[in-house]
Amino acid sequence: GENVEQHPSTLSVQEGDSAVIKCTYSDSASNYFPWYKQELGKRPQLIIDIRSNVGEKKDQRIAVTLNKTAKHFSLHITETQPEDSAVYFCASSDSWGKLQFGAGTQVVVTP
Amino acid sequence: GAVVSQHPSRVICKSGTSVKIECRSLDFQATTMFWYRQFPKQSLMLMATSNEGSKATYEQGVEKDKFLINHASLTLSTLTVTSAHPEDSSFYICSASDPRDSQETQYFGPGTRLLVL
Repeated sequence: GENVEQHPSTLSVQEGDSAVIKCTYSDSASNYFPWYKQELGKRPQLIIDIRSNVGEKKDQRIAVTLNKTAKHFSLHITETQPEDSAVYFCASSDSWGKLQFGAGTQVVVTP
Repeated sequence: GAVVSQHPSRVICKSGTSVKIECRSLDFQATTMFWYRQFPKQSLMLMATSNEGSKATYEQGVEKDKFLINHASLTLSTLTVTSAHPEDSSFYICSASDPRDSQETQYFGPGTRLLVL
């Protein structure tokens, strides 16, 4: 089955700096890669996603890149703010629509 | 995005009792819903896929007789934890895809925190 690895597990950045989280997946048939942000005790919120026919997607301060050949994708957050502090999960979707999640990255943005 | 609700938000029960959790799609119809479990400081683990009008499909290692899933309508799926034990204490979250949106995008409910004493 699909295996998604996510790094780093924790990431501490100064406010205003950029944060990058990387994920790799194993199933070459995976074609949809969402990123979720989860605050403590809350539901995961979709922040951005990318499909396999696209190499990069950007939404304001958030961008995602996908390298299908290497089977890895990354989340980039620019100009980080304290409210960006949360746990971020990458995921990949198989042809059945089932999501396999990475282990998560705890992002802490210090003022 | 689509709205998914869950009820209850938290529940405390005694060991050996059963607990039912509801997942509803509020403004769309969902033929498929997913149930996840999340232990503290861990990732979301898919438990089962709930299919309207048919049996749920369970992930490897998830006991179907312990975690009963019923998807009787296009807006409601229920998860019943039978004979709950302390090790079942966890955060249970459902998700659904809105057919008006991309079929791949999953929207999550607010979760149900279960504590078994």
